[in-house]
Amino acid sequence: NAGVMQNPRHLVRRRGQEARLRCSPMKGHSHVYWYRQLPEEGLKFMVYLQKENIIDESGMPKERFSAEFPKEGPSILRIQQVVRGDSAAYFCASSPEQRLLSLFGPGTRLLVL
Amino acid sequence: QKEVEQNSGPLSVPEGAIASLNCTYSDRGSQSFFWYRQYSGKSPELIMSIYSNGDKEDGRFTAQLNKASQYVSLLIRDSQPSDSATYLCAVTAGAAGNKLTFGGGTRVLVKP
Repeated sequence: NAGVMQNPRHLVRRRGQEARLRCSPMKGHSHVYWYRQLPEEGLKFMVYLQKENIIDESGMPKERFSAEFPKEGPSILRIQQVVRGDSAAYFCASSPEQRLLSLFGPGTRLLVL
Repeated sequence: QKEVEQNSGPLSVPEGAIASLNCTYSDRGSQSFFWYRQYSGKSPELIMSIYSNGDKEDGRFTAQLNKASQYVSLLIRDSQPSDSATYLCAVTAGAAGNKLTFGGGTRVLVKP
């Protein structure tokens, strides 16, 4: 029973490029949360999605960031025109129901050159 | 004002001693409280959850919650070098589902 999977584990992009981060929740989990951890800081909530719906995007930057969780396939966090300040670890967590504890994936470390 | 506050540390404790970590939160509507351990370069790992006032013990870990004081703590007894990590306090407000609000973390160093 695989846990939450994220890929790539490490991603290097140059300023202005696009970054696509993928999260495959645990089997049977239909709720996905994305968090960002800037260097030497705690995790910050970004967005909460259920299949095909964005439930809470209060933590998403207003520009360049978007997220989706299609009916089939992984959840995608997309960052357009990346800047150096986007360099961080991005963690995804999934849960089977809204009020049950979510489990974290291994994270994607994004480095913007 | 930060929603969840922790002393960043580092908290240095000798092996075998008790490590005491503190966390305060600002949202009185918070209903669930968690302690995560995070090793450098790794993802957070849940070590304790607590939902009601009082103490909860699990092995060498004890979580304490005081909702009136908006305070939650974690004690690590018989600290081991393998306990050296950053400990993150997190809370959820019931209406927000399972969205976690994290503190900045406390770095713990256990010296042999």
